[in-house]
Amino acid sequence: DGGITQSPKYLFRKEGQNVTLSCEQNLNHDAMYWYRQDPGQGLRLIYYSQIVNDFQKGDIAEGYSVSREKKESFPLTVTSAQKNPTAFYLCASSTDRDLNQPQHFGDGTRLSIL
Amino acid sequence: AQSVTQLDSHVSVSEGTPVLLRCNYSSSYSPSLFWYVQHPNKGLQLLLKYTSAATLVKGINGFEAEFKKSETSFHLTKPSAHMSDAAEYFCVVSWAAGNKLTFGGGTRVLVKP
Repeated sequence: DGGITQSPKYLFRKEGQNVTLSCEQNLNHDAMYWYRQDPGQGLRLIYYSQIVNDFQKGDIAEGYSVSREKKESFPLTVTSAQKNPTAFYLCASSTDRDLNQPQHFGDGTRLSIL
Repeated sequence: AQSVTQLDSHVSVSEGTPVLLRCNYSSSYSPSLFWYVQHPNKGLQLLLKYTSAATLVKGINGFEAEFKKSETSFHLTKPSAHMSDAAEYFCVVSWAAGNKLTFGGGTRVLVKP
């Protein structure tokens, strides 16, 4: 079945450490997105990519970095500059670069601080 | 500026009774509107979408939503709640001139036996 795979499901970060969250899709979608979800809040956009080798900052990009070297993959790095990284991170993809088509979501990665 | 307001952060219903989740939006353009559901520690699943066709939209699992432009609302309903409907629901707005989705704050639904 086609879908989005996020790994790992749980991740722990030490102070000063960079960690990378994986997102892979086999839906042949052009656009991919990273969101952060905090308890009791909606999703906030971190980065998005509408095509390979191109990406844009979302609303809360500071302390994060991404790459889009392959259509299927859109990894997110949480850097040591992100002082409050504890959250649930969701990756999504869609066929339409204009964001009017529904997005398909992975099952998320929960990041915590050690 | 575009915004989405879900009027209830929590809704509690008894199994077999109707569910109503309220969503209001503000947008200067013709919006596309979505409802998503999220079960604990899972991603979001699309329930239904409105994209300027019929104002009454039917979705999966017996849910439906009505787009009312005059009230700038897109409320989600289900005639009879099931225990499996216990989850968090998000109203989401997109618009043709924009480049990202705007999420409501979510409504957590509790279904009592």
